[in-house]
Amino acid sequence: EVQLVESGGTSVQPGGSLRLSCAASEFTFSSYYMHWVRQVPGKGLVWVSRLNTDGSKTNYADSVMGRFTISRDNAKNTLYLQMNSLRAEDTAVYYCARGHRDGYCVDYWGQGTLVTVSS
Amino acid sequence: QSALTQPASVSGSPGQSITISCTGTSSDVGAYNYVSWYQQHPGKVPKLMIYDVSNRPSGVSNRFSGSKSGNTASLTISGLQAEDEADYYCSSYTSSGTYFFGTGTKLTVL
Repeated sequence: EVQLVESGGTSVQPGGSLRLSCAASEFTFSSYYMHWVRQVPGKGLVWVSRLNTDGSKTNYADSVMGRFTISRDNAKNTLYLQMNSLRAEDTAVYYCARGHRDGYCVDYWGQGTLVTVSS
Repeated sequence: QSALTQPASVSGSPGQSITISCTGTSSDVGAYNYVSWYQQHPGKVPKLMIYDVSNRPSGVSNRFSGSKSGNTASLTISGLQAEDEADYYCSSYTSSGTYFFGTGTKLTVL
């Protein structure tokens, strides 16, 4: 079964930085696009970013463009999200998700890691 | 625009059918056949139910079906069961290479 395990979520002050990690297993990580999606507890899903298989092509939501950077290490089967200039509105559970092989969507999700931005 | 529009809530009795709509624009829902639907039970992670408008992943009940007309996509659940009670989100790829999720719909099985 596909496994995605996020880590790195914590409390941080506004303006601070944080790096999330997502350890992938039980599938050929290097063959799949990967995504980050966030969700404020009790609220809806918001797509954050996508990265292609070799890490050369990125896409970002307007709300995080220029502040967040998605990357991957295929040798370590790990996806990252570097988050800079954090704002209170970035507070959410961040999910790592695998891109569907045959469609433009995500098919497996991690359990999520909570990021809280507060002074 | 930052999200696709869904009804906040829908309800139905066991055995009935319900349809959830998802309205976007010609730059997302209307641009491609890349609409997907997710089911999320309270405290759980989302589960992919439909992709590319109408395709069901392996293991998803055939009671779930999807369609699209113009800028509006729809998810239909037939033969409603108690376990279908959950939040449902649509999602679409966009002409900018990004994705939007819908605002979410809470399904109540009466």
